[in-house]
Amino acid sequence: KQEVTQIPAALSVPEGENLVLNCSFTDSAIYNLQWFRQDPGKGLTSLLLIQSSQREQTSGRLNASLDKSSGRSTLYIAASQPGDSATYLCAPCMEYGNKLVFGAGTILRVKS
Amino acid sequence: DAGVIQSPRHEVTEMGQEVTLRCKPISGHDYLFWYRQTMMRGLELLIYFNNNVPIDDSGMPEDRFSAKMPNASFSTLKIQPSEPRDSAVYFCASSAWDRTSTDTQYFGPGTRLTVL
Repeated sequence: KQEVTQIPAALSVPEGENLVLNCSFTDSAIYNLQWFRQDPGKGLTSLLLIQSSQREQTSGRLNASLDKSSGRSTLYIAASQPGDSATYLCAPCMEYGNKLVFGAGTILRVKS
Repeated sequence: DAGVIQSPRHEVTEMGQEVTLRCKPISGHDYLFWYRQTMMRGLELLIYFNNNVPIDDSGMPEDRFSAKMPNASFSTLKIQPSEPRDSAVYFCASSAWDRTSTDTQYFGPGTRLTVL
């Protein structure tokens, strides 16, 4: 059974800092890995999707890397802003069917 | 496109009552997912459909839970009878996915269910 762990569980930083959010998973038989953002009381918004054959994916100030063999992914946020405050969720998609398994998330607060 | 639509957004009911949650996926998407989110257990996949057919319902917690997808544009998740421990936010998501696709899952706003 796939287990997903996200570290840290919570993070509070001043505006402008570069951030690193970590995700580890136990089963490397994944098709892709997705990072989502969830604002309080809202649904999930997809940020980045990395295929299992890729090493990284970039969108604006966000960069996600994937090391499938070691079961790790990292989300980098450059020059953080208060608007980045949210919960960030990592979810590998299993090869055997279109199933996402979610981590518990990292709660990010960026202070102005 | 309006995105994934869920109704109701909030539901408060008493223990023992039947609850029906509704979802309209994004047009053209052939996968539909039902998730449940709680503080204790996080986000869990309950069931998913492909072309209106249930593929994996291993996450459905008990026989009190059932899901249907009568057509490509509508799905329901039913809880009968409801219990206080069913209180959670229920999300519906849809995607267009095959082995060559990069499409992600698109989530609805969720239904916040409170069972008293």
